[in-house]
Amino acid sequence: DAGVIQSPRHEVTEMGQEVTLRCKPISGHDYLFWYRQTMMRGLELLIYFNNNVPIDDSGMPEDRFSAKMPNASFSTLKIQPSEPRDSAVYFCASRNGLAGGYPRPNTGELFFGEGSRLTVL
Amino acid sequence: AQSVSQHNHHVILSEAASLELGCNYSYGGTVNLFWYVQYPGQHLQLLLKYFSGDPLVKGIKGFEAEFIKSKFSFNLRKPSVQWSDTAEYFCAVAASGGSYIPTFGRGTSLIVHP
Repeated sequence: DAGVIQSPRHEVTEMGQEVTLRCKPISGHDYLFWYRQTMMRGLELLIYFNNNVPIDDSGMPEDRFSAKMPNASFSTLKIQPSEPRDSAVYFCASRNGLAGGYPRPNTGELFFGEGSRLTVL
Repeated sequence: AQSVSQHNHHVILSEAASLELGCNYSYGGTVNLFWYVQYPGQHLQLLLKYFSGDPLVKGIKGFEAEFIKSKFSFNLRKPSVQWSDTAEYFCAVAASGGSYIPTFGRGTSLIVHP
């Protein structure tokens, strides 16, 4: 089975450039999450979607960050313009949703992609 | 909102030593609890999870965790670590009041010397 697929795996760019990270969630999963991992802050939730709709973007650090999910099989995280402090590993994750307001036994677990390591010079 | 605290940021052990990593959360309602592992250069993978029932949960690779509700804890244990257990370990809590969206702890870096 294909897992969560992210691209690119590595990106090195210069300050001021636009960066677009891509994610394909596991088929059938209706939640998609974007996390950022840094040494200083650990794993931070940036934004998550349910059925392609952004539900909570309170973790997005600035207006320079934006995320979209045009359909159930694709999401992007864009940084424009990028800054050196944006350097981090960005993870996408997906999972099954909730049924009837209660978690199914196999829900809650997140399935992570391999991550996109971003370096902004 | 729920929060997760992992007390040990860095742990260094020799092979065959026993391991216990602490995890405490703050939330008074129903929670689902997870431990994830991140091997060097890889993505996070689920190690074990607790939803209900027996508070002692067995996971992969000989890991186990015990949910102690009165202490709001979900500590990870392994009786004898191996060099291949060198990794970053993350505790996560998904609470009913937070729409079961997981909150992660800062992580614990484990280094096992052969």
